[in-house]
Amino acid sequence: DTAVSQTPKYLVTQMGNDKSIKCEQNLGHDTMYWYKQDSKKFLKIMFSYNNKELIINETVPNRFSPKSPDKAHLNLHINSLELGDSAVYFCASSQVVRTSGNQETQYFGPGTRLLVL
Amino acid sequence: GENVEQHPSTLSVQEGDSAVIKCTYSDSASNYFPWYKQELGKGPQLIIDIRSNVGEKKDQRIAVTLNKTAKHFSLHITETQPEDSAVYFCAASRPDSSYKLIFGSGTRLLVRP
Repeated sequence: DTAVSQTPKYLVTQMGNDKSIKCEQNLGHDTMYWYKQDSKKFLKIMFSYNNKELIINETVPNRFSPKSPDKAHLNLHINSLELGDSAVYFCASSQVVRTSGNQETQYFGPGTRLLVL
Repeated sequence: GENVEQHPSTLSVQEGDSAVIKCTYSDSASNYFPWYKQELGKGPQLIIDIRSNVGEKKDQRIAVTLNKTAKHFSLHITETQPEDSAVYFCAASRPDSSYKLIFGSGTRLLVRP
């Protein structure tokens, strides 16, 4: 009964290739996120979707394209992979309480370790 | 934009001692401050959080304090155990439409048996 799941867990690929990472949450949350963690462990927001609508795009190259087919899924497609894309990518989800504007806990997936050779 | 600074970057304590990790944030509109623990090869996991209408929150051996005036918040772990060894991240979030978390740079905690 995994809350936030990601596939694949490991991804090794050549420069220039196109790859996708999938994320699913079974928590019934309305907001999903993609974060990138670099080699120094720094975590940075990339994208956020609320009810399938993009609400954050943090100056990420347009080679990265998120897609949310429904509230429970947020996939990340990366075109023309570069060496600098090597990192761990985390998906997360949360529920926003609209009446108060408060954000509830963000739950993170196990991560996808991407290595571009 | 929001910036969160976290100190120290590494912390080594003897089992049973206390550990304190400190963060400062720049955006006075931030109102939500979670702390995450990340074990090797795993995703970050929430251990405690605090909202701006509260000054302190405790959960067993873990406590968080918030000073809104100084824009500081701290994580306190008492009676540390070897299984507390991990990387700890503080974060801040503001109540606008984005709800993104801005993370600190992380603290690697080592609890020596």
